[in-house]
Order: sequence, then structure tokens, then C-alpha cells
Amino acid sequence: QSALAQPASVSGSPGQSITISCAGSSGDIGTFDYVSWYQQYPGKAPTLIIYDVSKRPSGVSDRFSGSKSGSTASLIISRLQTEDEADYYCSSYSSSDTLMIFGGGTTLTVL
Amino acid sequence: QGQMVQSGAEVTKPGASVRVSCKTSGYPFTSYAVSWVRQAPGQGLEWIGWVTTFNGKTNYAQRFQNRVSLTADTATRTAYMELKDLRFDDTAVYYCARSLYSFGLWGQGTLLRVSS
Repeated sequence: QSALAQPASVSGSPGQSITISCAGSSGDIGTFDYVSWYQQYPGKAPTLIIYDVSKRPSGVSDRFSGSKSGSTASLIISRLQTEDEADYYCSSYSSSDTLMIFGGGTTLTVL
Repeated sequence: QGQMVQSGAEVTKPGASVRVSCKTSGYPFTSYAVSWVRQAPGQGLEWIGWVTTFNGKTNYAQRFQNRVSLTADTATRTAYMELKDLRFDDTAVYYCARSLYSFGLWGQGTLLRVSS
């Protein structure tokens, strides 16, 4: 069982928007603004798409955005494209004995 | 930008040890920590620990505390992960990643297979 809870799968149609949630606790997302999101294609290394809750690295499309409310973070992908079909993972800094924790991952299907 | 290039795939037996390397370039090595993250087949990402490259200080996830050693060689800009007492469920792809509180640059991954 992962420390952060994500839905196993979400789906959407091209042009739509989707939201992937990442539920944590007061010991991680609820306290620290060190939430990040990663996109991973099959057989490839993950890539960073959001860091510090809502910041985008250079070169990442502005269709990707992040937010946080309480102990839950969210990744929003707008104007869905077929190339967005991938696995998405959230991560957070934690005050537990494991400093960095991940969600279990969410598979996005673009129908 | 930067690059992280990892050593090749390993096949080893239960109880053995393995060392994986991660050679970096294109960014100030000692300005970032290097984390190690693994991904078992069909599973999610799991943080193993990090090494702060400027002073070699480490922090390990609790479940790896007694079996892992992370080091960094500033002269060669290379980070290393040694994992001991390998078990079948250590079979996974192991990634190094440039990090502090997010993982902004990743190596290509090293497949470790533990098999008798």
C-alpha cells in the first residue's frame, strides 16, 4: 500500500480536462509544499512535470497544472491530447522516517 | 540541463550484493542531492534514499536502512548505490535522480534481476 493515494486509472477524451488526485496526510502534503508530479511512458524513466505543488519546469506544457487543498494535491491536465496517455505519479516530502513518498500511480487513458 | 547515465543490467543471486553507478554531467554536481528510486515490474515508484553530494550525508527509507549504502564521488561526478543481502523481491529497475524535494533529472534506469 502506497503512502499517497491515487486513483488507479482515469480517462478522458481529446480536448477535455481531467484531474488526478493525490491524498496524503498532515505529515506530508498537509504540511509541506513539496508536492511533485511525474509522467512515465512504458519502458521509460519518469519525467518531472510539476514541482513545489504548482510550478512547471521549463519546457513542460502549460496544459499541466497542479494545486493543493489541505492534505490532497491535484494534477489537472487540460485540452487532453493522445500523447498524454501515460502513468502519472505524485510525490511529497514527508516528516516520517521515509522522507520522500510516492503515490501508487494513475494510468491515464485518452479515449 | 544535465545527464545521468547508469551502469548496465545486472543478474545476481539471492544473498549477494550489487553496486549500481550513476555518472552525471552538465550541471554542478555538488549543488544537488542524488536520490535512488526503484520500480518493481508492473509496480509504482519507491524511494530508497538520497546522498547529499557536497558532504556525503545520507538519508535512507526505513525499509532499506540496513541493506543500502549510497555514496558520491565528487572527482568523477558519479553516485553509487550498493544494495546487500539481495532478495527475489529486489528485482526491479533502479533509477538515480537529481533531487532535493523533487526529482528533476533521471537516469535511464538499471534493471536488477535477482534469480537463483
